[in-house]
Amino acid sequence: DAGVIQSPRHEVTEMGQEVTLRCKPISGHDYLFWYRQTMMRGLELLIYFNNNVPIDDSGMPEDRFSAKMPNASFSTLKIQPSEPRDSAVYFCASSLEAGGWNEQFFGPGTRLTVL
Amino acid sequence: GDSVTQMEGPVTLSEEAFLTINCTYTATGYPSLFWYVQYPGEGLQLLLKATKADDKGSNKGFEATYRKETTSFHLEKGSVQVSDSAVYFCALSDRGGSEKLVFGKGTKLTVNP
Repeated sequence: DAGVIQSPRHEVTEMGQEVTLRCKPISGHDYLFWYRQTMMRGLELLIYFNNNVPIDDSGMPEDRFSAKMPNASFSTLKIQPSEPRDSAVYFCASSLEAGGWNEQFFGPGTRLTVL
Repeated sequence: GDSVTQMEGPVTLSEEAFLTINCTYTATGYPSLFWYVQYPGEGLQLLLKATKADDKGSNKGFEATYRKETTSFHLEKGSVQVSDSAVYFCALSDRGGSEKLVFGKGTKLTVNP
C-alpha cells in the first residue's frame, strides 16, 4: 500500500516566484496535515484538513501561503511570492480517524530552496 | 499553550550503549504522548505512543513510560545499534478535541560502530 506521496521532492526557485507543493494522502484517511521543518523553529503545523475542509490554519505564516484540498486524494500548498526565509522541508501527513491519539503518516517531504 | 521540551542534541553513542532521551511536556488537558523517528532523507514515523498515565509504549527495543506526576515521557533503549541513528521527536496531542500534534525540537542520535 502506497504511503503519503509528495511532489516534487526538491524544489529550487528564485525569490518572488510562485511555488506549489503537492500531496496525495493515504486512501481512506480523513485528516491531512501540512508541516514545515527548519533548523531554527523545528517542526511546525501549518494547516490541517478534515474531509477536505480546512479546520485550523492558525499556523500559516502569512497571506503568501495558501492550501487547498479539492478532493480526498489531493492537496496543494502554495507560496506566492516566495521568499528566501521560506526555505525549509515541507511535510504532508495523513491520519485515519479523529481523536488526536491516532498515528499520523508522513510523506518524504519536499525540500524547498528559495534563492 | 501546550509544549514539549526534549533534551538538546546531538547525542553520540557507541554501539550497544544505553540510550536515554529526556522529554517533558506542558499541557492544559490530558494528552496522549508519542515518540516519532526521522531517518535521514525520510519523513517521520511513529515509534511508540502512550495514551494514559503509567502506560508504557514500546517498539523495536525502545520504551517510554507516561509519567503524569513528573510530566515526562523519556525514551530509553538498552542497547543501541548503528541503524538507530536518526532524529527522535517527542510529541503530544491534546485529547480535548484537537487533532494537532505538538512536537519537541528533536534530538539527533548518532551511533558509532
